[in-house]
Amino acid sequence: EAQVTQNPRYLITVTGKKLTVTCSQNMNHEYMSWYRQDPGLGLRQIYYSMNVEVTDKGDVPEGYKVSRKEKRNFPLILESPSPNQTSLYFCATTPGTAYNEQFFGPGTRLTVL
Amino acid sequence: GQNIDQPTEMTATEGAIVQINCTYQTSGFNGLFWYQQHAGEAPTFLSYNVLDGLEEKGRFSSFLSRSKGYSYLLLKELQMKDSASYLCAVKGTGFQKLVFGTGTRLLVSP
Repeated sequence: EAQVTQNPRYLITVTGKKLTVTCSQNMNHEYMSWYRQDPGLGLRQIYYSMNVEVTDKGDVPEGYKVSRKEKRNFPLILESPSPNQTSLYFCATTPGTAYNEQFFGPGTRLTVL
Repeated sequence: GQNIDQPTEMTATEGAIVQINCTYQTSGFNGLFWYQQHAGEAPTFLSYNVLDGLEEKGRFSSFLSRSKGYSYLLLKELQMKDSASYLCAVKGTGFQKLVFGTGTRLLVSP
């Protein structure tokens, strides 16, 4: 079954404790993105990746890091989480430039105390 | 700058027709998307318009006017399961640069 998976789905942590949210896709898609969704602000892109070892900043990259060492995985790293990073996070993938639909993962709800 | 506007909330009755509008001002345009998002779930793709006109897909249709920076999503024969948020998103220039509106929460009542 074609899918995008994220782990963990829910996480409560404390300020400053490094964490990683994983994203994995089995569709061999080239493009992957991370979004955060906050009430009243909608979905905002954090980082994106066009292919292995190619990443770039989205609209709200501060406080986040990503890596793309393999095509299927695109982890989101919070080196020192802060309460303003409490949000709902979505990973999304797209097959390639000829395609437009983004396939979203199930989401990760993160709370930073 | 980039700006996408859509109403915050709408209500409608089961079986009715509802139109959700979206206006946009973006620095580039390579298409407009509509996504449906049920509470606590991931967005799912509904439609994509890149040329002016109406695209119909079952009970859902989407319209685009590039000159007016305007789109709408039309939902016919509303069902209770259509209660969800509807997200308008514009694809700008460059790779997969999607800018989302804040979404319209639609509540369908019996």
